[in-house]
Amino acid sequence: AQSVTQLDSQVPVFEEAPVELRCNYSSSVSVYLFWYVQYPNQGLQLLLKYLSGSTLVESINGFEAEFNKSQTSFHLRKPSVHISDTAEYFCAVSGGSGGSNYKLTFGKGTLLTVNP
Amino acid sequence: GAGVSQSPRYKVAKRGQDVALRCDPISGHVSLFWYQQALGQGPEFLTYFQNEAQLDKSGLPSDRFFAERPEGSVSTLKIQRTQQEDSAVYLCATRLDNEQFFGPGTRLTVL
Repeated sequence: AQSVTQLDSQVPVFEEAPVELRCNYSSSVSVYLFWYVQYPNQGLQLLLKYLSGSTLVESINGFEAEFNKSQTSFHLRKPSVHISDTAEYFCAVSGGSGGSNYKLTFGKGTLLTVNP
Repeated sequence: GAGVSQSPRYKVAKRGQDVALRCDPISGHVSLFWYQQALGQGPEFLTYFQNEAQLDKSGLPSDRFFAERPEGSVSTLKIQRTQQEDSAVYLCATRLDNEQFFGPGTRLTVL
């Protein structure tokens, strides 16, 4: 069985400050890792994903996440946030290549609030 | 349409009533998923289809929940004799190349 822990339920920050949203997972098999974002009154959108290869992955809007196998973590970072980044962020895991990789297991989410 | 669509977007049901939630997937996507998202929680897996075959229904919380996808396209999640604990957002997603694309969800409120 897989599980995901998002250590912070809420993260308030000021505009242009750096932010890190933490995510730890547990799994007995290889994994694929994802960050989804949910803006107010909208559906879940994929922000970035790790499937294989480089452990550092980036999104088009300046977020990045690093897969750390030894620490079983996939923390999300952004060096300078904008008001428009205010949203709920979900970390998710599925089984990787050769595993049961069809369903996602989500964390409880972290509400990022960017204040002016 | 270009994305996954769901209807209705909002549903209010009286306890004991049956409800049916519809998902229109992205055309050509073979894999379809249903998730349940309770207030303040992350989505939780309910069931998975590959074309019309329901390959995994391990997440369905009780035998009051039933899902089908008879022609391998549109899917319906049915909840019989709704209870208050069924109140949640029900999300449909389809998958391509290890990425899942989510619909906007149906918010079900059981009074």
